[in-house]
Amino acid sequence: DIQMTQSPSSLSASVGDRVTITCQASQDISNYLNWYQQKPGKAPKLLIYDASNLETGVPSRFSGSGSGTDFTFTISSLQPEDIATYYCQQYDNLLVTFGPGTKVDIK
Amino acid sequence: QVQLQESGPGLVKPSQTLSLTCTVSGGSISSGSYYWSWIRQPAGKGLEWIGRIYTSGSTNYNPSLKSRVTISVDTSKNQFSLKLSSVTAADTAVYYCARVGFGAARSMDVWGQGTTVTVSS
Repeated sequence: DIQMTQSPSSLSASVGDRVTITCQASQDISNYLNWYQQKPGKAPKLLIYDASNLETGVPSRFSGSGSGTDFTFTISSLQPEDIATYYCQQYDNLLVTFGPGTKVDIK
Repeated sequence: QVQLQESGPGLVKPSQTLSLTCTVSGGSISSGSYYWSWIRQPAGKGLEWIGRIYTSGSTNYNPSLKSRVTISVDTSKNQFSLKLSSVTAADTAVYYCARVGFGAARSMDVWGQGTTVTVSS
């Protein structure tokens, strides 16, 4: 089974800061990687699909990149409403695995 | 737009079977363009994929749960369901249903609000 790691596990940043989260797969998953945002008490929301594609309606300050085993999720200018936990999710060989999540809050 | 709603008992006794249903509204579950999935999340923890079904009935399950999980679909009711047998306290979680696209990474683009299931006697 493919294992996913995310770093950092949590971070604090100021409004307007650039925030970067990394996700690493235990083996090559091409671009089979999605990113979700989950606010407390809410269902996850799809932000980025297939590693780098912005889901319709999602603000352009969110972006994703990477392929193979190393992926990056970026918020170009952190906003107060971006406080949430962010999860990567991989798809390989018919199976799905989520990363452990990165909690983002405001400094 | 498409909406998903989970329903089912909020309390299940240990060793019994957890049964949940996800009702799809605003679109047909039989459209053929999507899979339908279940995901769970214990309190304060991360997301765990349970499995997925296509309207043909074809399924894929998380290997760690495969022996206890059954996902089925009822196209006449526009619903799909989850059964998890022999539950223990470790199965206590918020259970989500989600729509899964056919993109490369099988992204889950529509989610239900989630339903909390507690396993306790």
